[in-house]
Amino acid sequence: GDSVTQTEGQVTVSESKSLIINCTYSATSIGYPNLFWYVRYPGEGLQLLLKVITAGQKGSSRGFEATYNKEATSFHLQKASVQESDSAVYYCALSYEEGSGYNKLTFGKGTVLLVSP
Amino acid sequence: NSKVIQTPRYLVKGQGQKAKMRCIPEKGHPVVFWYQQNKNNEFKFLINFQNQEVLQQIDMTEKRFSAECPSNSPCSLEIQSSEAGDSALYLCASSPQGAGYAEQFFGPGTRLTVL
Repeated sequence: GDSVTQTEGQVTVSESKSLIINCTYSATSIGYPNLFWYVRYPGEGLQLLLKVITAGQKGSSRGFEATYNKEATSFHLQKASVQESDSAVYYCALSYEEGSGYNKLTFGKGTVLLVSP
Repeated sequence: NSKVIQTPRYLVKGQGQKAKMRCIPEKGHPVVFWYQQNKNNEFKFLINFQNQEVLQQIDMTEKRFSAECPSNSPCSLEIQSSEAGDSALYLCASSPQGAGYAEQFFGPGTRLTVL
């Protein structure tokens, strides 16, 4: 089946430094997947950070960016300058438009981002 | 912020007991999903609905899990005979449309502990 692999465990970054959280996927279903980054801030529910549904395109939100690279099957999350308020758990995910279980999300295990002052 | 409501927030059951949790999707969202997130942070899709009709469910759901989304009532997920391995965070999500690219809006989850 499909799977998503992302940077495991916790990533600690100093405030104002750059961030990259790696995400690669293995897709066995037909067609190209839709790609998402979801985030869970402390004490809050899971929410969408950004999405890209077309290969080669870039999505951005709140200073974060991710580019859909179908050749490398990657969707890495980047930010040029992180803030303490970015401390959260980040999840990479995919879904499809058609096929078995087409619109369910397949998630990675999550990456804990801790931004130190 | 998501307006998906899940109750209860915490549920403690003994092995073999029934466990039932509820979800009220955002108003106007016809598509509802249930996911299980285990202690290893692995997500597992359980079932999804569109306008009360089941779109897909995994084999595990078909055996001990049951779910429904009746019209004008909360959606529910019930485990008929809880097992220790069912201890997890159960997440309900709703979406304004069934397309795979549509955003899913998640509730806070019900944390089930099976003793």
